Amino acid sequence: SQKIEQNSEALNIQEGKTATLTCNYTNYSPAYLQWYRQDPGRGPVFLLLIRENEKEKRKERLKVTFDTTLKQSLFHITASQPADSATYLCALRVYGGSQGNLIFGKGTKLSVKP
Amino acid sequence: GAVVSQHPSRVICKSGTSVKIECRSLDFQATTMFWYRQFPKQSLMLMATSNEGSKATYEQGVEKDKFLINHASLTLSTLTVTSAHPEDSSFYICSARDAEGPPNTEAFFGQGTRLTVV
Repeated sequence: SQKIEQNSEALNIQEGKTATLTCNYTNYSPAYLQWYRQDPGRGPVFLLLIRENEKEKRKERLKVTFDTTLKQSLFHITASQPADSATYLCALRVYGGSQGNLIFGKGTKLSVKP
Repeated sequence: GAVVSQHPSRVICKSGTSVKIECRSLDFQATTMFWYRQFPKQSLMLMATSNEGSKATYEQGVEKDKFLINHASLTLSTLTVTSAHPEDSSFYICSARDAEGPPNTEAFFGQGTRLTVV
């Protein structure tokens, strides 16, 4: 069956450290993968998009990798801050899917302690 | 970035009544909008795809007569939960893509609506 899994429901780290979140998928052939941030009671906010032919993308303190052989994406936040505390969602868009139709993981709740 | 406004942010209604949720794209036109539902600690689940000027496309298991979608203009889609029951209590989120933007880009989400049916 098709699955998209973020295998840590929660991640607690110390301020200044690098947070690494994992997204694994099975039985999908994604055209691209996206990462979103979601704060409690709010809608997701787009962070980064990485295409199937890209290995790595960076944006300020954020870095995403995409390994289509391992069927895995890693999301890194360097020099983490308490303000980075939120739930992070990975999402896939697969070939043949309607434009904008994304398949989401359950998310990883990140807590950055001062 | 583009802004999607969703209203109301919270609503409490009595069982058996109907509730309408609005989703507006504020600075772009959206031929397609998407409605998701999210239960606590669960992923966003697509309910339906709303197409301007035509009928919505519903995902398997979503009752189209219960969740009425209207996409009457390029900037507004509405979701009406009819005859709401406590099990319909959830967080409903819309998203939209810029019709004139490049394909395969990010989706813009509304701030969500917390529906509680009592």
